[in-house]
Formats: sequence, structure tokens, C-alpha cells
Amino acid sequence: DIQMTQSPSSLSASVGDRVTITCRASQSISSYLNWYQQKPGKAPKLLIYAASSLQSGVPSRFSGSGSGTDFTLSISSLQPEDFATYYCQQGYSAPITFGQGTRLEIE
Amino acid sequence: QVQLVESGGGVVQPGRSLRLSCAASAFAFSNYAMHWVRQAPGKGLEWVALMSYDGRNKYYADSVKGRFTISRDNSKNTLYLQMNSLRAEDTAVYYCATELGEPFDHWGQGTLVTVSS
Repeated sequence: DIQMTQSPSSLSASVGDRVTITCRASQSISSYLNWYQQKPGKAPKLLIYAASSLQSGVPSRFSGSGSGTDFTLSISSLQPEDFATYYCQQGYSAPITFGQGTRLEIE
Repeated sequence: QVQLVESGGGVVQPGRSLRLSCAASAFAFSNYAMHWVRQAPGKGLEWVALMSYDGRNKYYADSVKGRFTISRDNSKNTLYLQMNSLRAEDTAVYYCATELGEPFDHWGQGTLVTVSS
């Protein structure tokens, strides 16, 4: 199975900050990497697919990059609604696996 | 708009069975693969199972293989998850999800399964 490791596990930041979350795969997954945002009590929401493509309706302050084993999710200017937990997920091979999550908190 | 509505969750004793349902609407259900994903309380997301659009192909996480069965009824626009030999570690919110255009672009609201004596 492909292991997905996110860092950091938690992150404190302020409104207006730029933040970056990283995700590392245990083997190459090409660009089969997706990012999700989840708020408490809600289902996850797709933000970025294929490593760098912005899902329709997602603000442009979100961006993704990377290929192979190393990926990043960046938020250019944090807004209050961005404080949530973020997950990466590989769709390269079964079983599908998620990272452990990064909790983004208000500083 | 696209809707996925899970049902069937509840409290069940260890070793017993439960069947979850996911009713789909506002899209051509029979044309799309469907997933189950779960989330234990306070924990991360865990993919559980996948069924192809026509039901011919099924894939499972190792943690549920041999105990859970995914199925679908395309005439009823409904996805199922039959869960047998339930364990405490199966306690989670179970989501159904699909990929209408992009990976996991639509999710249900989830249904909570609690395995406890």
C-alpha cells in the first residue's frame, strides 16, 4: 500500500498569512494527488485534483504543486473560513489512501 | 443538485451486522463508480470500498476485506455496504462518495456507526 505522510500535523496561523502543507508519498504516484478540506461535522470538500488543478468554485488563493512523491498545498492569504483540517489523497493505485491530516488553527 | 444521502447507521454490538444505504439523486447513478469512506471519531479519513459503475469490479481496504461487502442497485439509484462481524474499531462516520468529474467531488453527509456492547 502507498503511505501518505503530511506535515505538519497541526499548524497555527493568522488571517492574511500564507501557509504551506506538504504531503509525501511512499512511492511515486505521478500527479495522482488530491487535496481536501474538512470542517467539523461536515463531509470533506475537494480543493485540488491532479496535484495542481483547482476544483470548480474553489477560491484561487488555494494552489497545489508537485509530482512523483512530494506535493504541497498552499493558501496564499488565509481567510477565516480556511481554518479547517486538510487531507491529501493518492489515487494512483488501490487501496486509495489518505494522509493523516493537517489541522490549521487560528493563532 | 447532486445528492447522496446515507442511512442505516446506529448502535450495534460487536460481532453483529449492519447494512448502510446511500441514496443518490440528480445524476446518472448507473454511469459512475461509488465509494465508501469512513472516519473514526477524532481521526482521519479511511477509504473503505469501491464499486465500479456496473458492479463488476469491487475493491476493499484490508481492514474490512472479508467482512464488508459493497453492492449497488442501479434501478434504485442506491449503494449499499453490508458490514458483518463488526468490531469496536469499525466505529466511525461512514460517507458515500462519487467522482462525477473529478476525484471524490461529491460526498454524502455521513451516517454514524457505533459498535459497542
